[in-house]
Amino acid sequence: EPEVTQTPSHQVTQMGQEVILRCVPISNHLYFYWYRQILGQKVEFLVSFYNNEISEKSEIFDDQFSVERPDGSNFTLKIRSTKLEDSAMYFCASLGPWIEGSYNSPLHFGNGTRLTVT
Amino acid sequence: GNSVTQMEGPVTLSEEAFLTINCTYTATGYPSLFWYVQYPGEGLQLLLKATKADDKGSNKGFEATYRKETTSFHLEKGSVQVSDSAVYFCALSERYNFNKFYFGSGTKLNVKP
Repeated sequence: EPEVTQTPSHQVTQMGQEVILRCVPISNHLYFYWYRQILGQKVEFLVSFYNNEISEKSEIFDDQFSVERPDGSNFTLKIRSTKLEDSAMYFCASLGPWIEGSYNSPLHFGNGTRLTVT
Repeated sequence: GNSVTQMEGPVTLSEEAFLTINCTYTATGYPSLFWYVQYPGEGLQLLLKATKADDKGSNKGFEATYRKETTSFHLEKGSVQVSDSAVYFCALSERYNFNKFYFGSGTKLNVKP
């Protein structure tokens, strides 16, 4: 079964540094998402991306965050200047394809990137 | 607005016990409802779903029924196994708006042999 793949699995960075988290969604999917999970608890929505633009973002997704789909396969989340409170597990997810009036597959998640900001 | 509330954990059960994890929701319109499971060190995986009122989703012995009148989607399993130990998330999406899926806070299940 196709998978969403995320790299790296663990990223350690110093406060104030930029990080880029990478995701390869399932190839025929149309919606792409970033969620984060702090301390293995609540899953928080960050942003969704459709038709090459942001379709919705949360209040967490401020000017320090950006997303790109530069080449039609990768989907990246950039944090421009990391803070201690950005330490979390970041999950990429994708949804699609649209078949006969609905999305035929469920939301597919990658295994996450654990970001540690020191 | 949309939101999901699920019972706090952790829930600790002995093997073969009956499991219920409560989930209630608030939504505009007619949402689709989901249960996702997260095993240690992994991402979330869909466990089951229901897309309209009175639908029952089922998978791997787990069941949940979409109850519009009580705005609930409780997860049940008749006989849990040690391998069911995981974190369970209730979630919803609006029927024709896929910009965001709303997740509950998760319920950790520990099953003891």
